[in-house]
Amino acid sequence: DGGITQSPKYLFRKEGQNVTLSCEQNLNHDAMYWYRQDPGQGLRLIYYSQIVNDFQKGDIAEGYSVSREKKESFPLTVTSAQKNPTAFYLCASSMTGTGRETQYFGPGTRLLVL
Amino acid sequence: GQSLEQPSEVTAVEGAIVQINCTYQTSGFYGLSWYQQHDGGAPTFLSYNGLDGLEETGRFSSFLSRSDSYGYLLLQELQMKDSASYFCAVRGDNFNKFYFGSGTKLNVKP
Repeated sequence: DGGITQSPKYLFRKEGQNVTLSCEQNLNHDAMYWYRQDPGQGLRLIYYSQIVNDFQKGDIAEGYSVSREKKESFPLTVTSAQKNPTAFYLCASSMTGTGRETQYFGPGTRLLVL
Repeated sequence: GQSLEQPSEVTAVEGAIVQINCTYQTSGFYGLSWYQQHDGGAPTFLSYNGLDGLEETGRFSSFLSRSDSYGYLLLQELQMKDSASYFCAVRGDNFNKFYFGSGTKLNVKP
């Protein structure tokens, strides 16, 4: 079955620690996105990538980093510079060039700070 | 900047019809989408409007008026399973970026 997987489901971060959230898709989509969702809030864009080896900052990129070495994979690293990382992180992908560009979301990773 | 406004919460009874509005301010516009998210889950796509008018998909319909920068999601024959948060999203000045509203929590009561 095609889809997006994210791991882990829950992640605990200690002070000063960098952690990496995994996102993999087998939908053959060119575009991939990372969003942050805080309780009772909408989705805010962290980073996005339209093609391999290229990515752009979203609205809240500070304290985060990404890579896009393969079409299928778009990992997000939450660095120690992100002072308030507790949130629900959602990865999404979409085809480009179709106009409708439906976004397909993974199940999410909940990041908690110890 | 980009902004989307939608009501924070709506309550309706099973079998009723409910409308969730979305007004947006963007420097560009490439379409309005709606997503559903159950508690603890991932958003799932419901509907898309690129042009003015009504799009119907089963019990769900979505409307867009580009001149008014306004759209709505209409849910008919409400079921308990429709209790969820609903987000409008716009592709704005950057064709590759989506902007989401803060969501409307729909409570369906028996």
